Amino acid sequence: GAVVSQHPSRVICKSGTSVKIECRSLDFQATTMFWYRQFPKKSLMLMATSNEGSKATYEQGVEKDKFLINHASLTLSTLTVTSAHPEDSSFYICSASTYPMSYEQYFGPGTRLTVT
Amino acid sequence: KQEVTQIPAALSVPEGENLVLNCSFTDSAIYNLQWFRQDPGKGLTSLLLIQSSQREQTSGRLNASLDKSSGRSTLYIAASQPGDSATYLCAVEVADYKLSFGAGTTVTVRA
Repeated sequence: GAVVSQHPSRVICKSGTSVKIECRSLDFQATTMFWYRQFPKKSLMLMATSNEGSKATYEQGVEKDKFLINHASLTLSTLTVTSAHPEDSSFYICSASTYPMSYEQYFGPGTRLTVT
Repeated sequence: KQEVTQIPAALSVPEGENLVLNCSFTDSAIYNLQWFRQDPGKGLTSLLLIQSSQREQTSGRLNASLDKSSGRSTLYIAASQPGDSATYLCAVEVADYKLSFGAGTTVTVRA
């Protein structure tokens, strides 16, 4: 149980375009989902926290207009990188939680974004 | 702001040797500490979770200790195998169920 999927696993897009990444909880209802970004050999950096049906809470330094997060249902959250630039290239990982029932986070397999 | 440090950044050992991975954190006010495994280009797999009131957790060949007062945790992997090769991340849960991660220790177990 507690499986989280991400789609796509890899995506290449051109500068200036937008790309959407999906995060799904397959066998449980996720009241809270988290989006992380990971640079090579660096730690995961929390970008934002999203709760179903409400606006996402962004961490300091994360541009909310650039990284649009939608948590429309208890099993799906999306991250849209708008007007992508090469510096947005990174590994994006989501996690899902049933908070407040449990603090445990279940992680997706990640999405490798390359902006050319 | 919570800072999580993992030393060493990389480790290479021969098969059968025990592994010792270190994690330190600056703020002892944590809810729990977790150890994760990450294979190249993949997501995270949770290995062990230690609540702030606990001193250690064990699962098979893995044992993790937590000393909250000194801000340290150690992950021990007994009798390492080539399949243990991966990056190991520690993370502490701070307020509002947020996780602060270390940069990880990349382990290579040589056959």
